[in-house]
Amino acid sequence: DTEVTQTPKHLVMGMTNKKSLKCEQHMGHRAMYWYKQKAKKPPELMFVYSYEKLSINESVPSRFSPECPNSSLLNLHLHALQPEDSALYLCASSLGVGNTEAFFGQGTRLTVV
Amino acid sequence: GENVEQHPSTLSVQEGDSAVIKCTYSDSASNYFPWYKQELGKGPQLIIDIRSNVGEKKDQRIAVTLNKTAKHFSLHITETQPEDSAVYFCAAISTTGGGNKLTFGTGTQLKVEL
Repeated sequence: DTEVTQTPKHLVMGMTNKKSLKCEQHMGHRAMYWYKQKAKKPPELMFVYSYEKLSINESVPSRFSPECPNSSLLNLHLHALQPEDSALYLCASSLGVGNTEAFFGQGTRLTVV
Repeated sequence: GENVEQHPSTLSVQEGDSAVIKCTYSDSASNYFPWYKQELGKGPQLIIDIRSNVGEKKDQRIAVTLNKTAKHFSLHITETQPEDSAVYFCAAISTTGGGNKLTFGTGTQLKVEL
């Protein structure tokens, strides 16, 4: 099973809403990632978790708050977003943070209105 | 930090022809180079990768070559089929203060025409 599952697939939220994106993997991977992808652009790294601890934060605004409750789950809490935050949010996982294969989920298409 | 350049940005080939996508990277310490295929509305899918101790790797119709001296790596797809149409991203692993991160190229839109 090389699957990374993200929910929901689509999300529309207002600028005052609070919502969460969820990601799950059962491959025993110890590194999990959040990426943001705008249309016709490559994925941009937001956060890296290694062994459930935040190891990289790419200077992401605080309106995005990641959480790793356990080794299989990764959440991204959203609050007071702006329309320019509309994008495809991708979760990925890998065995470790080193030079190992990273597997991506299908993404959550987020629209902020 | 790592910078990955990718060319061409669009590529149109006839079914059955070969397609080549080229990337260059800047960090000489990078040692892992994956390629991802992304279809519309889906997440990137790993299709092949190569590590720095290998010059070439092949998997059926897909091959990747790496020239560490020149900091170049390329994706070769032979006997292209319509289902190969997608956006392809190269990437390189680089080391930052918090660990290793994957840096993507800008992507190539491949269109295989009948």
